Amino acid sequence: SAVISQKPSRDICQRGTSLTIQCQVDSQVTMMFWYRQQPGQSLTLIATANQGSEATYESGFVIDKFPISRPNLTFSTLTVSNMSPEDSSIYLCSVDPSRGPNYGYTFGSGTRLTVV
Amino acid sequence: AQKITQTQPGMFVQEKEAVTLDCTYDTSDPSYGLFWYKQPSSGEMIFLIYQGSYDQQNATEGRYSLNFQKARKSANLVISASQLGDSAMYFCAMRYNNNDMRFGAGTRLTVKP
Repeated sequence: SAVISQKPSRDICQRGTSLTIQCQVDSQVTMMFWYRQQPGQSLTLIATANQGSEATYESGFVIDKFPISRPNLTFSTLTVSNMSPEDSSIYLCSVDPSRGPNYGYTFGSGTRLTVV
Repeated sequence: AQKITQTQPGMFVQEKEAVTLDCTYDTSDPSYGLFWYKQPSSGEMIFLIYQGSYDQQNATEGRYSLNFQKARKSANLVISASQLGDSAMYFCAMRYNNNDMRFGAGTRLTVKP
């Protein structure tokens, strides 16, 4: 299945600053997904990123706060802008490796963000 | 609206015994996929097993099996012969026609020696 390299693995940031998270996939994939996992919670979809088009955001998430880039079929970034302590979460990218559903979606190792 | 429900915040099981983690779902789409993921304390998401809505047989992968009851809209995960390394969060998820995946609240499984 696809292998995803997600960076950084963790970071501690000052409120009001921004952090960009990168996901590099070892194969071309059509769709990439960005999730947020708040402490002790489940995964919540932030947006779906397709190459060559604007990302599609879920209710409660806006582009100004979470801008996403998808310059090609193997790479995407998520920026968490103007951070506050409420943004402290694990952020994960995910892809459908398109090898069939039996392989599931592949996830990056996650970015553990702490905002102070 | 599609919804995934896991009603067990935490479960305990004795090592070498079997345990069932519950998952119910709600969708009006005839075509969907159901997944189970394991999340150890390291935070990575590990895919365990998949069940398609049209699959006639319950999915199995090693010690993992999925008890799929379509009429009841349930997709419970059964872990046989539990091991200490099975202690983790377990998430049930559903994918439907727009390809993104929605997750349940999760169940924290603790395996006792």
